[in-house]
Amino acid sequence: QVHLVESGGGVVQPGGSLRLSCAASGFTFSRSDMHWVRQAPDKGLEWVAFIRYDGSNKYYADSVRGRFTISRDNPKNTLHLQMNSLRGDDTAVYYCAKALGIDSWGQGTLVTVSS
Amino acid sequence: DIQMTQSPSSLSASVGDRVTITCRASQDISNYLAWFQQKPGKAPKSLIYAASSLQSGVPSKFSGSGSGTDFTLTISSLQPEDFATYYCQQYKGYPITFGQGTRLEIK
Repeated sequence: QVHLVESGGGVVQPGGSLRLSCAASGFTFSRSDMHWVRQAPDKGLEWVAFIRYDGSNKYYADSVRGRFTISRDNPKNTLHLQMNSLRGDDTAVYYCAKALGIDSWGQGTLVTVSS
Repeated sequence: DIQMTQSPSSLSASVGDRVTITCRASQDISNYLAWFQQKPGKAPKSLIYAASSLQSGVPSKFSGSGSGTDFTLTISSLQPEDFATYYCQQYKGYPITFGQGTRLEIK
């Protein structure tokens, strides 16, 4: 059974940094492409970033390119999102999700950017 | 960027009804189309991938169709647990994009 558990969310000041993690279990993480998707309060879903199963390719939304970095540690079955230069409009629940055509989601972790 | 437009934005229906939600892509995405269901305060749930393939464990009351630019999600025999917000998503090109969502409410 696929299990994705995000962590690392919290309250951060504008301009600050945060690192999210997603612990994966129940499937072969090293063979799975992964995404980060976010949802601002009372808004729709917004794709953030994608990484190939082996880390060979990474893609970002225009809104986060140059500020966020997606990475993975396959031996530790963990996905990361390093978020720098955070802004108020980055406030959202951040979900990790499995597979190019997403088949599983984590429960999400809330990031609040506020002074 | 590929724009995804869902219609309607909201929909009222009764238990037992059959409903259809439409998703239109701004360019040809072949069948790289997924559908998700989300209930308030919960993570999204994956329903369909490759436009018409049901994710494991999803009941057959959900069906998807279409290719190219026009897609539909049909839900037959609505039950109380089906009232939620539904999103389409294209994964043909980057950036990956979602539709704005369709809120399905009980009439």
